[in-house]
Amino acid sequence: DIVITQSPLSLPVSPGEPASISCRSSQSLLFSDGKNYLDWYLQKPGQSPQLLIYLGSNRASGVPDRFSGSGSGTDFTLSISGVEADDVGVYYCMQTVITPYIFGQGTKLEIK
Amino acid sequence: EVKLVESGGGLVQPGGSLRLACAASGFNFNTYGMSWVRQGPGKGLEWVSGMSSGDRTRYADSVKGRFTISRDNSKNMLYLHMNSLRAEDTAVYHCAKGKNSGNYWGSFDYWGQGNLVTVSS
Repeated sequence: DIVITQSPLSLPVSPGEPASISCRSSQSLLFSDGKNYLDWYLQKPGQSPQLLIYLGSNRASGVPDRFSGSGSGTDFTLSISGVEADDVGVYYCMQTVITPYIFGQGTKLEIK
Repeated sequence: EVKLVESGGGLVQPGGSLRLACAASGFNFNTYGMSWVRQGPGKGLEWVSGMSSGDRTRYADSVKGRFTISRDNSKNMLYLHMNSLRAEDTAVYHCAKGKNSGNYWGSFDYWGQGNLVTVSS
């Protein structure tokens, strides 16, 4: 199975400051169709996860443009241009290039 | 409005069985892949099983041979049949909808609220 490694696991950020989370895969997530099969989710406290970024760099519907996804192959990054209080929660990446789909360990973002 | 509502969870003894159900509404259910994702107490997310719109199924290694995913497109229902349950299967189970219609069932754009399964004697 593919191994997904997220870092950091804990991310304290001051409001308005940028933040980034890394997701690394043990195998390439770039498929022959040219798409990177890597999604990002946010699970806010007490809520179900919500899709932020799909296929590496596409923002899901309703997601603020301060969120962006980048990377290709085995290295990916979720960036937040200016953290807001509403961004608190646990961020997960997930590979979907092959089953079983695998989530990263999660990164807990908190406001300083 | 898309809605996914899970039911069927509860307390079950080790070795027992349970069937989870997910009632879907607000979209053309039979054209989308669906998955089950679980979260153990204080733990991260774990993809459990998925089913394409074309009835292709896949499982996590941890549940293969014990869990079976199925769907009834006439009722807009997704199911997870769980047998030989273990303490480590204790979790909140979410059903999730794939974003794109067709055989790719990743990129979960809608999630249910989750249903707790507790395996304990």
